[in-house]
Amino acid sequence: DTEVTQTPKHLVMGMTNKKSLKCEQHMGHRAMYWYKQKAKKPPELMFVYSYEKLSINESVPSRFSPECPNSSLLNLHLHALQPEDSALYLCASSQDSVIPQTQYFGAGTRLSVL
Amino acid sequence: AQSVSQHNHHVILSEAASLELGCNYSYGGTVNLFWYVQYPGQHLQLLLKYFSGDPLVKGIKGFEAEFIKSKFSFNLRKPSVQWSDTAEYFCAVTPSQGNMLTFGGGTRLMVKP
Repeated sequence: DTEVTQTPKHLVMGMTNKKSLKCEQHMGHRAMYWYKQKAKKPPELMFVYSYEKLSINESVPSRFSPECPNSSLLNLHLHALQPEDSALYLCASSQDSVIPQTQYFGAGTRLSVL
Repeated sequence: AQSVSQHNHHVILSEAASLELGCNYSYGGTVNLFWYVQYPGQHLQLLLKYFSGDPLVKGIKGFEAEFIKSKFSFNLRKPSVQWSDTAEYFCAVTPSQGNMLTFGGGTRLMVKP
């Protein structure tokens, strides 16, 4: 099973809302990633978790707050977002974050901020 | 920091035509190279990867890529495309240590039946 599951598939939120995106994998991977993909652009790395600890934060605004409750789960908490944050948010996982290897991607959550 | 360039933003081909998508990277050290594909409405999937060894890499669905170190290139090829190959193709790199992917801008391929 090489599946990374993301929920919800679509999310519409207002600028004052608080919402969370969820990502789950059961491949025993110890590295998990959040990417942001704007329309017609490539994915851009936001965060990397390695062994449930945040190892990389690519200067992401604090209105995005990642959380890794356990080795299978990765959340992205959203608060006070701006319309320009509307994008496809992708989660990925790999065996670890140090040795280069394949990252497996979820289908993404398409977020619209009104 | 590494960067990746994909020169063709949009490619339109007829079925059975041959495909070559360009990818060049910029980085001062050893890199690992990937091609990912994103079919309409689907998640990113790995087509093939190069870490070391034979610079001609074969992937899924009849795709192959050749790493030419002197040209900093990793072009994707397929001898005969099908309508089902319509998708967006991303070249990506990681440094030899660390697994942070940097993606190229993508090439949107449309195959006409």
